[in-house]
Amino acid sequence: GENVEQHPSTLSVQEGDSAVIKCTYSDSASNYFPWYKQELGKRPQLIIDIRSNVGEKKDQRIAVTLNKTAKHFSLHITETQPEDSAVYFCAASNQFYFGTGTSLTVIP
Amino acid sequence: DTGVSQDPRHKITKRGQNVTFRCDPISEHNRLYWYRQTLGQGPEFLTYFQNEAQLEKSRLLSDRFSAERPKGSFSTLEIQRTEQGDSAMYLCASSLVQYSVSYNSPLHFGNGTRLTVT
Repeated sequence: GENVEQHPSTLSVQEGDSAVIKCTYSDSASNYFPWYKQELGKRPQLIIDIRSNVGEKKDQRIAVTLNKTAKHFSLHITETQPEDSAVYFCAASNQFYFGTGTSLTVIP
Repeated sequence: DTGVSQDPRHKITKRGQNVTFRCDPISEHNRLYWYRQTLGQGPEFLTYFQNEAQLEKSRLLSDRFSAERPKGSFSTLEIQRTEQGDSAMYLCASSLVQYSVSYNSPLHFGNGTRLTVT
């Protein structure tokens, strides 16, 4: 089965700085890579996803890059704001397998 | 779109009792997933359905756990003879998979059922 590893587990940045979260996966057949944001006490919500036929996707301050050869993908948040503080999860394959999460804190 | 709804929101039970949770997916979604999440961890896959067919169960899933989706709409997750280690948030999610494309589609999660086993 798929094995998804996520780093770092915690991340603190100053407001306005960028944040990068990285995930690796093991199954070369995986073709879909979503990212979810989960605020305390709330459900995970999709923020961006990428399919294996593209290398990068951007949506305003959020971007995801995919390196199929190296089997890793990354979430990039620019111009961070305090409301970006949350736990972020990556997932791979048929969405069965989630990373362990990154707790992002944006310091005002 | 009323979203994915789960019932109950909270359940407190004594060890050894059986519990059942319900999930109502987004109406047009054909896939339904169950996950378990403990504090500080990512959602852990339990099982999923394509319409009424249960297509996969996690190898880690104890035989005390059973899930059904009898008419391809709502689903139930039952835990028999609960143990304290079953205490967790149980999340349901649904998605619409179109057979004409080979990629998966995003999951929409419910608010979850928080189970506490005392």
